[in-house]
Amino acid sequence: AIQLTQSPSSLSASVGDRVTITCRARQGFTTALAWYQQKPGKAPKVLIYGASTLQSGVPSRFSAGGSGTDFSLTISSLQPEDSATYYCQQFINFSLTFGGGTRVEIK
Amino acid sequence: QEQLVESGGGVVQPGRSLRLSCTASGFNFRTYGMHWVRQAPGKGPEWVALIWYDGSDKYYADSVRGRFTISRDNFRNMVYLQMDSLRDEDTAVYYCARRQRSHADLWGQGTQVTVSS
Repeated sequence: AIQLTQSPSSLSASVGDRVTITCRARQGFTTALAWYQQKPGKAPKVLIYGASTLQSGVPSRFSAGGSGTDFSLTISSLQPEDSATYYCQQFINFSLTFGGGTRVEIK
Repeated sequence: QEQLVESGGGVVQPGRSLRLSCTASGFNFRTYGMHWVRQAPGKGPEWVALIWYDGSDKYYADSVRGRFTISRDNFRNMVYLQMDSLRDEDTAVYYCARRQRSHADLWGQGTQVTVSS
C-alpha cells in the first residue's frame, strides 16, 4: 500500500514564524493530495486540496505545493489558533490514506 | 447550513454488532459520495468505507472488508455503517464525511465506538 510519511512528527514555533511540513509518498501519484488540520476532540478540517488549492474560508497564511512524491504545507506567519495536528491525505483506488501527522505547538 | 451528524456509537462486546447512522442536512445529499473514517485514540485518521452518490458502488478498507457494510438512504439523507464481528481494534471515533473529488470537505462531529468485554 502507498504510504505517506510526514515530517517532522512534531514542532514547536513562535507566533509569527514561518512553518513548513512535508509529506512524502513511497510511490509517485497525481496531485490528488489534501491537507487537514485537527484540533483535540474535533473532526479534521480540510485546508488544501488538489495539492495547492486553498479551501474556501481558510486563511491565506496557509499554502501548499509539490507534485510526484514530495509535497509541503506552509504556514507563513504562525498564529496561536494554528496549534493543532496536521495530516496529509491522498486519494487512490477510491480510498483515503492519511499521513502520520505533524503536531504543531506554539512556544 | 451544511451539516453531518453521526449517531449510534456505544460500548459493545467483541464479536457483537453495531450500526452507525449519519444524517445530512443543508446540501443536496443525493449528489455526493460519502465516506466513513475512523480514528483510534492517539492515532491518525483511518479510512473505512466509501459509497457512491447513488449507492451503486462501495469500497472498503482491507481491515473491515467482509465485516462492515456501508449503505445509504437518499430519501432520508442518511448513510449507515453496519459493523459486525467487532474487534478490540475497531475501537475509535467514527466520522462520516462528504466526498469531493479527491478529499473529504465536510465532516461530522464523530461518534465513539468502544469494543470491550
